Amino acid sequence: DAKTTQPPSMDCAEGRAANLPCNHSTISGNEYVYWYRQIHSQGPQYIIHGLKNNETNEMASLIITEDRKSSTLILPHATLRDTAVYYCIVRSHQYNQGGKLIFGQGTELSVKP
Amino acid sequence: DAGVTQSPTHLIKTRGQQVTLRCSPKSGHDTVSWYQQALGQGPQFIFQYYEEEERQRGNFPDRFSGHQFPNYSSELNVNALLLGDSALYLCASSRRGNEQFFGPGTRLTVL
Repeated sequence: DAKTTQPPSMDCAEGRAANLPCNHSTISGNEYVYWYRQIHSQGPQYIIHGLKNNETNEMASLIITEDRKSSTLILPHATLRDTAVYYCIVRSHQYNQGGKLIFGQGTELSVKP
Repeated sequence: DAGVTQSPTHLIKTRGQQVTLRCSPKSGHDTVSWYQQALGQGPQFIFQYYEEEERQRGNFPDRFSGHQFPNYSSELNVNALLLGDSALYLCASSRRGNEQFFGPGTRLTVL
């Protein structure tokens, strides 16, 4: 079973920031928070990951709470092309544990004009 | 730099047949994982290959088997196809335990 909880759907206006929450209250010390997104019928796309510090790349920012029990993915200026299902996943980097990604249902983000 | 590639794009088979799907990992990656995604669901982990051996396996029957070649490419084989095997099959590659990058998938339809 997935170790994360996400809202099933969210709307965002084009050009505004999209803030996608994720709860992972049972995360363990060696587990990272990963975000992927999947545009309809395509393979999932890696977005970002982090352990405990906030992270930013060209696609998004990841904010992880101090207790690491929740996180927020921020798309700073959402466009129509950001409409997708967003998956939050916790995963160990220890090789004998870190093989698989366990996907939940994700959040279906709809960016509207 | 080519990303992860999969072939074929689409495939139609009948019940009881066997199918082989192929995956070429991203350059520099040595680990291949396979996932099954049924319509409306998140991807489900099938297994992972590293150094030509199956390293981890999800909750899939023995009808699902795989192979990794010395050039790190991989095959997924499914025997005795069932209607319920109809799905998008995704391959993901990584360098050891690092982030996985997915291919576009193979859409399998079993009639």
